[in-house]
Amino acid sequence: EDQVTQSPEALRLQEGESSSLNCSYTVSGLRGLFWYRQDPGKGPEFLFTLYSAGEEKEKERLKATLTKKESFLHITAPKPEDSATYLCAVQVVGRTDSWGKLQFGAGTQVVVTP
Amino acid sequence: EAQVTQNPRYLITVTGKKLTVTCSQNMNHEYMSWYRQDPGLGLRQIYYSMNVEVTDKGDVPEGYKVSRKEKRNFPLILESPSPNQTSLYFCASRPDRGKAFFGQGTRLTVV
Repeated sequence: EDQVTQSPEALRLQEGESSSLNCSYTVSGLRGLFWYRQDPGKGPEFLFTLYSAGEEKEKERLKATLTKKESFLHITAPKPEDSATYLCAVQVVGRTDSWGKLQFGAGTQVVVTP
Repeated sequence: EAQVTQNPRYLITVTGKKLTVTCSQNMNHEYMSWYRQDPGLGLRQIYYSMNVEVTDKGDVPEGYKVSRKEKRNFPLILESPSPNQTSLYFCASRPDRGKAFFGQGTRLTVV
């Protein structure tokens, strides 16, 4: 069974204190891995897509990386406005019912204090 | 502006009273999905649709129905809602190899 596990569940950072979030996955065949940001009461907002091991994407203070078993979202010198829940999702190949399926992890709630 | 629109945003209903949550997208996307989000469980897929008249079950389809008669619309139907369907619901759409766009969410309470 395909599984996506995110850690830690929650992370409290001081402004400027860099850290990393982990998304580990066990799937039959990875078509793509997505990172989303979600603010309370709102829909997830797209951040990055990674397709193959070794790929990296960067946007402002965020950098996403991908290996064959996991992905990391690095937050460099975070600011309070980076406070949100970060979600990881995988899209899987190899099954007839997989074309529309994105499987999400439970998310990491990040709080950045001034 | 590219968007996914869900209605209503908030809904309180009673057990057994049929309801429909509407979802519409203006991006001509093939794929549309419904998710529910519960604390500690993350987003779980209820149903998804690959195109008009093509739908399939996600991970938690029990108690829900969907239809896709037009490409832009993908309503979620609860024929007989129960309290365990109290949740935050999201509709999403995306092209084949692209990112998903999510609606603003519908907070449903069944009493």
